[in-house]
Amino acid sequence: GAVVSQHPSRVICKSGTSVKIECRSLDFQATTMFWYRQFPKQSLMLMATSNEGSKATYEQGVEKDKFLINHASLTLSTLTVTSAHPEDSSFYICSARDASGSSYEQYFGPGTRLTVT
Amino acid sequence: AQSVAQPEDQVNVAEGNPLTVKCTYSVSGNPYLFWYVQYPNRGLQFLLKYITGDNLVKGSYGFEAEFNKSQTSFHLKKPSALVSDSALYFCAVRPGSGGYNKLIFGAGTRLAVHP
Repeated sequence: GAVVSQHPSRVICKSGTSVKIECRSLDFQATTMFWYRQFPKQSLMLMATSNEGSKATYEQGVEKDKFLINHASLTLSTLTVTSAHPEDSSFYICSARDASGSSYEQYFGPGTRLTVT
Repeated sequence: AQSVAQPEDQVNVAEGNPLTVKCTYSVSGNPYLFWYVQYPNRGLQFLLKYITGDNLVKGSYGFEAEFNKSQTSFHLKKPSALVSDSALYFCAVRPGSGGYNKLIFGAGTRLAVHP
């Protein structure tokens, strides 16, 4: 089956620093990847849709200058949390849509837990 | 506004008993419906989906779900619960029109299966 990986699985950083999270589709090409944020005991909130070779589409209320998304290849999208603050601490999950499969299939990564101290 | 509702924060069931986790939705068009399970500090694992056809769909680990168009529901069921089924369950809907690539998630229901 389709596998999506995320790196790192957990990261602790100091306030004011930037953190990059990678999302990779391991055995398929993904023209579209999605970035979600999940607070403790809450649902997933879509942050942005990342399209290979073009700018990401951000959901309302998500600061694009703070959450930089780059989808430079068909197997890799990155989310950079710039100038992180404690309120950015969360569980970040990516998903990828198989370019060769049905348009509705999304495969989820294992998530990255970010803690900002 | 398009939304997915999971009315129960938590469902408790004894091992061996049947379980139901409820989901209703309000979206445009003919939606695609999904159930995912999440274990602690892990991503989402796909359980099953409804796209079209038979209203009763069978998925992984013995789970099934029934699509009811008139009630706009897609409840998750399992005839006999296992302790290992204890996890967080999310219902998700892809609208049939407008932003069709996006998934709208319910708030999640924590399933606790007791020995």
